[in-house]
Amino acid sequence: KNEVEQSPQNLTAQEGEFITINCSYSVGISALHWLQQHPGGGIVSLFMLSSGKKKHGRLIATINIQEKHSSLHITASHPRDSAVYICAVLGGNQFYFGTGTSLTVIP
Amino acid sequence: GAGVSQSPSNKVTEKGKDVELRCDPISGHTALYWYRQSLGQGLEFLIYFQGNSAPDKSGLPSDRFSAERTGGSVSTLTIQRTQQEDSAVYLCASGGQGGIEQYFGPGTRLTVT
Repeated sequence: KNEVEQSPQNLTAQEGEFITINCSYSVGISALHWLQQHPGGGIVSLFMLSSGKKKHGRLIATINIQEKHSSLHITASHPRDSAVYICAVLGGNQFYFGTGTSLTVIP
Repeated sequence: GAGVSQSPSNKVTEKGKDVELRCDPISGHTALYWYRQSLGQGLEFLIYFQGNSAPDKSGLPSDRFSAERTGGSVSTLTIQRTQQEDSAVYLCASGGQGGIEQYFGPGTRLTVT
């Protein structure tokens, strides 16, 4: 059983489309991260959330603690957004990771 | 400012040899995490340090794996008698008190032949 489930696993979009990636978790958490991993392997933390909503540029992340669900939205998607997006939750002293959503944005 | 650094960036070793991987966290960060990512797999939690102590070692896959952190700064992950299934990218991340925010290093790619 995975503590963190992401959907979809793979996503292909046309440039300019609005994209949503979903994350559901089953453990009690103190924080949720959205991570971006580029093809070269480097990982960047995009957002850390414990409640509500955060926005950074074209990226928006929301979390609903009661429903144990978070979404990552990308507005006006661009080919440089192509990457794997990973949801990670901090439960106790341990991080639990989703398997990632592989996003490809086509020009 | 300087981010999290890891060394070496790549390591190729023969099966059965020991390897040591190093992580230099961001200065002042008290929390330090080790993860690994096997080819085609997701991230796997290995161990967490708060200061020099490791309250959670539950992710270490076997007793061939050990990690230490001295002086509340640099950490080393040691793999003894390496096996081919140990081949992966080993990632380190550091964060402030509580380790909620995470800053990832570039990783060490380990290949066991």
